[in-house]
Amino acid sequence: KQEVTQIPAALSVPEGENLVLNCSFTDSAIYNLQWFRQDPGKGLTSLLLIQSSQREQTSGRLNASLDKSSGRSTLYIAASQPGDSATYLCAVTTQPGGFKTIFGAGTRLFVKA
Amino acid sequence: DTEVTQTPKHLVMGMTNKKSLKCEQHMGHRAMYWYKQKAKKPPELMFVYSYEKLSINESVPSRFSPECPNSSLLNLHLHALQPEDSALYLCASSWASRDSATYGYTFGSGTRLTVV
Repeated sequence: KQEVTQIPAALSVPEGENLVLNCSFTDSAIYNLQWFRQDPGKGLTSLLLIQSSQREQTSGRLNASLDKSSGRSTLYIAASQPGDSATYLCAVTTQPGGFKTIFGAGTRLFVKA
Repeated sequence: DTEVTQTPKHLVMGMTNKKSLKCEQHMGHRAMYWYKQKAKKPPELMFVYSYEKLSINESVPSRFSPECPNSSLLNLHLHALQPEDSALYLCASSWASRDSATYGYTFGSGTRLTVV
């Protein structure tokens, strides 16, 4: 059974710091891994999607890497800003069609001005 | 249009009420999903529709009844809910083929449901 773990559960950093959020999964047979951002009481905003054949994806100040063999993904945020404060969730899809997608519990990030 | 639209944004209902949540997308996605999310927990899958047919029901109580009238719309009918059903209900969509592995999900902003 696929399990997805995110560490740390919460993180507080000063503005401008570079930071790394971690996501680990127990079964390497995945189709993709998607990182989402969620603001309090809101829906999920897709940040980056990495297909199983890819090693990383970049969008602006965000870079996500995927190492299937070790069951790990990292989300790197460069030059953090207070507006980056949110919960970051990773989701692993193990079947096409997204029918079996397992979410991690998320990392709550707070960036201090 | 690259959005999933959910209405209403907030809903308060009594345990004897009947209400419906609505979800709409115009991206041509053929898979649509309902998720339930409790505070500080990850989303949990409830239902999956593929090409307007219910393909997954994750053992959800019958007081939740999904409906997919066409490829753009998804409803969740609610009846005789319990206070523990209070949560954020999220709708999502994706391509229903193997291409969904390439493009992932698009989520709506959710409906905050409170059962009193």
